[in-house]
Amino acid sequence: QVQLQESGPGLVKPSETLSLTCSVSGGSISTSYWSWIRQSPAKGLEWIGYIYHTGITDYNPSLKSRLTISLDTSEKQFSLRLSSVTAADTAVYYCARTPIFGVAIYTFDLWGQGTMVTVAS
Amino acid sequence: EIVLTQSPDTLSLSPGERATLSCRASQSASLYLAWYQQKPGQAPRLLIYDTSYRATGIPARFSGSGSGTDFTLTISSLEPEDFAVYYCQQRGNWPLTFGGGTRVEI
Repeated sequence: QVQLQESGPGLVKPSETLSLTCSVSGGSISTSYWSWIRQSPAKGLEWIGYIYHTGITDYNPSLKSRLTISLDTSEKQFSLRLSSVTAADTAVYYCARTPIFGVAIYTFDLWGQGTMVTVAS
Repeated sequence: EIVLTQSPDTLSLSPGERATLSCRASQSASLYLAWYQQKPGQAPRLLIYDTSYRATGIPARFSGSGSGTDFTLTISSLEPEDFAVYYCQQRGNWPLTFGGGTRVEI
C-alpha cells in the first residue's frame, strides 16, 4: 500500500528557505495530485499547494509568491520550498495524496506522519 | 476563499451517545465537503467526502449530510476511539480550505 514520508530540517532561521521532501512508496506517483498541508495553532490546517506528475502545480494564493513545489518522478519524491520564512511559518508540515480520478477527488485521502518545522534564530 | 466555521468548539459526550457536528460555509460549497478525524500526534484521516460518502474502511456509525452552506457530521453512537478532533474541508472553490475543528471529548 502507498505510504508517504516527510523529511527535512526541523529548524529554519528567519528569512531563509524551508525545504522539505516527501517520499512516496508502495504505489505510482503518476495517478494523483500530491499536496502539502501545514497545521499550526494560529492558522489550523492550511492547504499549501499540489503538483501533478506532468509538472502542473496549483498554490494557495496566500503563499504563492514564496512557494515552489517540484516533483522527481524517478525518485518518487516531491518537494516543498518556502522562501523568506518567518515565525508565522512554524507548523507541522504534512504531505498528502489528492485523488483526481474516481472518488474523493480533491480531498486528502492519504497523509504522511507530518514533520515539525520551527522558524527561529 | 470559502471560510468554514465549525461548531461547537468542543462537544462533551459519553460513549454510546450521539454526536452532531456542524460546519458552515461562507458561500456555497455545493456538495463538495469532506470530514476528517485527527487524534493526538497523528495526521488527519479522511472520513467522509462529497458530503455523505464514507471513505474506505470508515464505520457506518459515521454519516454526513447537508448542502450549500450547512453541513453536519453525525456519529450515531460514540465508541471510545471516536474521541478526537474533527475537521471539515471544502473543494467547491479554490483555494481548498479547512474548518477550525470540533473537539469531541469525554
